[in-house]
Amino acid sequence: GDSVTQMEGPVTLSEEAFLTINCTYTATGYPSLFWYVQYPGEGLQLLLKATKADDKGSNKGFEATYRKETTSFHLEKGSVQVSDSAVYFCALLTQGGSEKLVFGKGMKLTVNP
Amino acid sequence: DAMVIQNPRYQVTQFGKPVTLSCSQTLNHNVMYWYQQKSSQAPKLLFHYYDKDFNNEADTPDNFQSRRPNTSFCFLDIRSPGLGDAAMYLCATSRGGGIAKNIQYFGAGTRLSVL
Repeated sequence: GDSVTQMEGPVTLSEEAFLTINCTYTATGYPSLFWYVQYPGEGLQLLLKATKADDKGSNKGFEATYRKETTSFHLEKGSVQVSDSAVYFCALLTQGGSEKLVFGKGMKLTVNP
Repeated sequence: DAMVIQNPRYQVTQFGKPVTLSCSQTLNHNVMYWYQQKSSQAPKLLFHYYDKDFNNEADTPDNFQSRRPNTSFCFLDIRSPGLGDAAMYLCATSRGGGIAKNIQYFGAGTRLSVL
């Protein structure tokens, strides 16, 4: 079945450091891909998305590019802030019939001042 | 403005005592989902409603039930909670009907403790 594999962490970075969170997927067809973020004590928020190959999603300084050839959707940010401390989930939307989100295990990021 | 509202934020129940969690939405979305998220794990889909059509995941225990009396509200009933059911329960909604409309919006979650 469809699945998502992502870096699990936890990861601790200093403010202004570069962030990469790897995400690869296995799916039939051409799923839509998402990054969700979960701040402490809260639900999930959509961070960015891409619906087809070579699409780049971006939001709040985060970017991810849908790479069909490597089945990847890595999340990057050039300069992290303390407020980026959260858990990041990569997810895909299955196709056909009942469309569902399949999540990776999530990665906890802590950014220190 | 909260669009997917879950009540209560924290719920404590006793082993075996039925408990109901609620979710409401102001988005008028067709689809409502319930997820279970255990500590340091990804959310796991329990079931969802597309309008009034109920869709249960194959591995969702019978102990978990759901009701959707109208578009705005959806309830999660746990008939006989066990210690293993302690988790964060997340409600989400989407418009449904195609990729562009399937972004899911999540509530803040209800953290359930079972004593």
